Amino acid sequence: DQQVKQNSPSLSVQEGRISILNCDYTNSMFDYFLWYKKYPAEGPTFLISISSIKDKNEDGRFTVFLNKSAKHLSLHIVPSQPGDSAVYFCAANPSYNTDKLIFGTGTRLQVFP
Amino acid sequence: GAGVSQSPSNKVTEKGKDVELRCDPISGHTALYWYRQRLGQGLEFLIYFQGNSAPDKSGLPSDRFSAERTGESVSTLTIQRTQQEDSAVYLCASSRGTGVVKNIQYFGAGTRLSVL
Repeated sequence: DQQVKQNSPSLSVQEGRISILNCDYTNSMFDYFLWYKKYPAEGPTFLISISSIKDKNEDGRFTVFLNKSAKHLSLHIVPSQPGDSAVYFCAANPSYNTDKLIFGTGTRLQVFP
Repeated sequence: GAGVSQSPSNKVTEKGKDVELRCDPISGHTALYWYRQRLGQGLEFLIYFQGNSAPDKSGLPSDRFSAERTGESVSTLTIQRTQQEDSAVYLCASSRGTGVVKNIQYFGAGTRLSVL
């Protein structure tokens, strides 16, 4: 039972354009969401997060949008840079008495010149 | 230390053997987490520690898997009688704490386990 879904396994975007990565979740009890970026042979690194009480959080080129009614969040990267090429994971934290994260399967972003 | 450190970085073992994977969290981080990533899949939660206690071990796949943490620092994940389906990258993360304040989890580079 995949509670966090990233339905696009890959995305290719031209440098300078916007990258939009999508994530859907099934459990309305999730109260905190995070995006991680992963380069090959490295551990995931934290990018940006959002609490369920907000609908938008922005940090530089990265913005995360949360639509609770649709159980959907997205990560916008603008402008995209070649160094952004990596696998992006969406993760959710259930609010019930645990701090584990539930991850999606990831989206591989390739930014080309 | 500067970041989460895991050892070994790679481990090849024969089916049926036991393996131990080690994690050194960021100094001062009270919470420690273990995840695994199978090829082409997302990260799968295994267990986490707050201090030396494990409030949530719901992700451990079977009784062949166990983990401990001592001194609120180093943790060891042990897999007994390894099977081929145990082949994965095992990732450790740590955070400043748990609870209401949502602490960011910082990951190590992982241990790639291959069971032949």
